[in-house]
Amino acid sequence: DSGVTQTPKHLITATGQRVTLRCSPRSGDLSVYWYQQSLDQGLQFLIQYYNGEERAKGNILERFSAQQFPDLHSELNLSSLELGDSALYFCASSVVPSAPGDLLGYTFGSGTRLTVV
Amino acid sequence: LAKTTQPISMDSYEGQEVNITCSHNNIATNDYITWYQQFPSQGPRFIIQGYKTKVTNEVASLFIPADRKSSTLSLPRVSLSDTAVYYCLVGDMGRDDKIIFGKGTRLHILP
Repeated sequence: DSGVTQTPKHLITATGQRVTLRCSPRSGDLSVYWYQQSLDQGLQFLIQYYNGEERAKGNILERFSAQQFPDLHSELNLSSLELGDSALYFCASSVVPSAPGDLLGYTFGSGTRLTVV
Repeated sequence: LAKTTQPISMDSYEGQEVNITCSHNNIATNDYITWYQQFPSQGPRFIIQGYKTKVTNEVASLFIPADRKSSTLSLPRVSLSDTAVYYCLVGDMGRDDKIIFGKGTRLHILP
């Protein structure tokens, strides 16, 4: 158990639908990152939140949105789903560094496998 | 985050030492080098991180030459369970906002 919890583990839905993926970061971590990984593809960075505020955006579609709540859990909302949105969605969290260059790592959850049919 | 280049894939045999090299010519002064391991259908797992010279933990060693323009992840006496994708990341992970993973190196361990 990495300490990062993602729910649900699996999700099957139809095209055009909307789903919400949930992530609880590791205790003490203020930053949450969302990644998408399609079959045999690398990890695509979607968006980062830090202490409730959006901090960085990657190649996130306009149909996708995210937020981080006061208790630091985060949700990724995917709407108007298309077949191509089928992928593994990972959440990662990290701790705030106390000084520049602090040795840090990102802790990933086990992912949510989304299948759009 | 500095751009990295690593082999697409590698094959090795059980019991061998495997070395995966990553090139990062544009590494900045404050950047650290971090390696992750990802098994199929699992999230990446932090393996090791270093700044210069050599770092060793219970899983791997990381060799970084003086110019820091490359690094080598060394996995001693690999087993079938080491078959995974290995990602090399370079950056100041306390500062960089967009953490970009490349394609990684797909390591296949043969019996």
